[in-house]
Amino acid sequence: DGGITQSPKYLFRKEGQNVTLSCEQNLNHDAMYWYRQDPGQGLRLIYYSQIVNDFQKGDIAEGYSVSREKKESFPLTVTSAQKNPTAFYLCASSIQWVINSPLHFGNGTRLTVT
Amino acid sequence: GQQLNQSPQSMFIQEGEDVSMNCTSSSIFNTWLWYKQDPGEGPVLLIALYKAGELTSNGRLTAQFGITRKDSFLNISASIPSDVGIYFCAAAANAGGTSYGKLTFGQGTILTVHP
Repeated sequence: DGGITQSPKYLFRKEGQNVTLSCEQNLNHDAMYWYRQDPGQGLRLIYYSQIVNDFQKGDIAEGYSVSREKKESFPLTVTSAQKNPTAFYLCASSIQWVINSPLHFGNGTRLTVT
Repeated sequence: GQQLNQSPQSMFIQEGEDVSMNCTSSSIFNTWLWYKQDPGEGPVLLIALYKAGELTSNGRLTAQFGITRKDSFLNISASIPSDVGIYFCAAAANAGGTSYGKLTFGQGTILTVHP
């Protein structure tokens, strides 16, 4: 079955450590995205990639970094510069970077930093 | 920036009741989407709307793209326990004739259904 796989489901880190969240898709989608979800808030866009080897900052990119070396992979690194890293992180993909190409989401990674 | 105001924030209903929630904005959008999120999972697309005035159904779900392009609503008829979850509206806009994949999300409506 095609889909988006995020791993791990739960991640615990000490403050000051960088951590990388994995996102893999086998849908052959060009565009991929990272969103952050906090309780009582809508999803906020961290980074997006329209096509392989390209990525752009979203609305809350500070303290995060990404790479898109392969079409199927879009890992997100949460750096020590991110002031409030504890959150639920969602990866998504869409066929293309166009308005009528809805997002398909993975099942998320819950990151807890203490 | 663009914002979506989704209401109500939460709903507690009895099984069998109908549900209505809506999203409004001061900005114009060209696509409206409705997603449902189960606890600990990613959102799943329920309905996509691409034309102002469009009314679309998916089983017991019905959604409409407002004629002003600034709002949308989602109705669920005859609710069942598995309807429990968080419902998000999302919208996208064109800018200068260029399509963008960026979505703006509402804050979500938490639905609880009592058997």
